[in-house]
Amino acid sequence: DTAVSQTPKYLVTQMGNDKSIKCEQNLGHDTMYWYKQDSKKFLKIMFSYNNKELIINETVPNRFSPKSPDKAHLNLHINSLELGDSAVYFCASSSPGTGNTIYFGEGSWLTVV
Amino acid sequence: KQEVTQIPAALSVPEGENLVLNCSFTDSAIYNLQWFRQDPGKGLTSLLLIQSSQREQTSGRLNASLDKSSGRSTLYIAASQPGDSATYLCAGSGGSYIPTFGRGTSLIVHP
Repeated sequence: DTAVSQTPKYLVTQMGNDKSIKCEQNLGHDTMYWYKQDSKKFLKIMFSYNNKELIINETVPNRFSPKSPDKAHLNLHINSLELGDSAVYFCASSSPGTGNTIYFGEGSWLTVV
Repeated sequence: KQEVTQIPAALSVPEGENLVLNCSFTDSAIYNLQWFRQDPGKGLTSLLLIQSSQREQTSGRLNASLDKSSGRSTLYIAASQPGDSATYLCAGSGGSYIPTFGRGTSLIVHP
C-alpha cells in the first residue's frame, strides 16, 4: 500500500483556472507538508500542518490554500493559476514516533499553459 | 533560519568507486538530518536519518555522518553501481522540525 499518495500525478491546465491536488497518508502521522520543486529541482516548503492545524506558511501567494479535513489528508487548492505555478508539488508526512523521518508522495506535475 | 548547501552539484564516476557527497548547514542546533534519493520523474526516497544525538547511520553500502560543530554531513557510498545514479538530497530540521533541503547532488555512475 502506498504510504503517501497524491492525485492527480499529472495536470495540464490553462492560466486563470482553479485546481486542486489531493494528498492522503496512511501512516498515522501527525504532520503533513506541501513542498514545491521548481524547474531547477529545488525543493521549498510551502505549508506544514500538525493535527489539522497550520504551523507554517512560507511566503506563498494567497492563491494557494491548503485544506486539512482530517489528520490523514492535506489538499492543496490553487486559484487563478499562473504560468509560474508550473512545478512539481510534493506532499509529505512525518511523526515524532518515527524520529520525524519524512515520507514523500510521488509528486504532482502541474503545467500551466 | 536553516540553510543547507550541497557540493558538488554534479558528479560522474566509474562503477566501483567509493564516493562522498557533502552537505553543510548553517544552524548547528539541528534536530535531525536526512538523506534522500530522487530518481528522474519520481518522488523522494528516504535513505538515512541521523538524529542530533547520533554521529552516523549505516544502511548497506551507505553511511551518513553528522558533525554538528562543523555544520556538516557526508553521505558515503561504497562500491558505487550504475543503479546508484540519481539525485541525492540532504535536508536538515531545526527547532521547527520543518526539513530544509539543499539543492542536491546529481550522481552518474557509468559502467
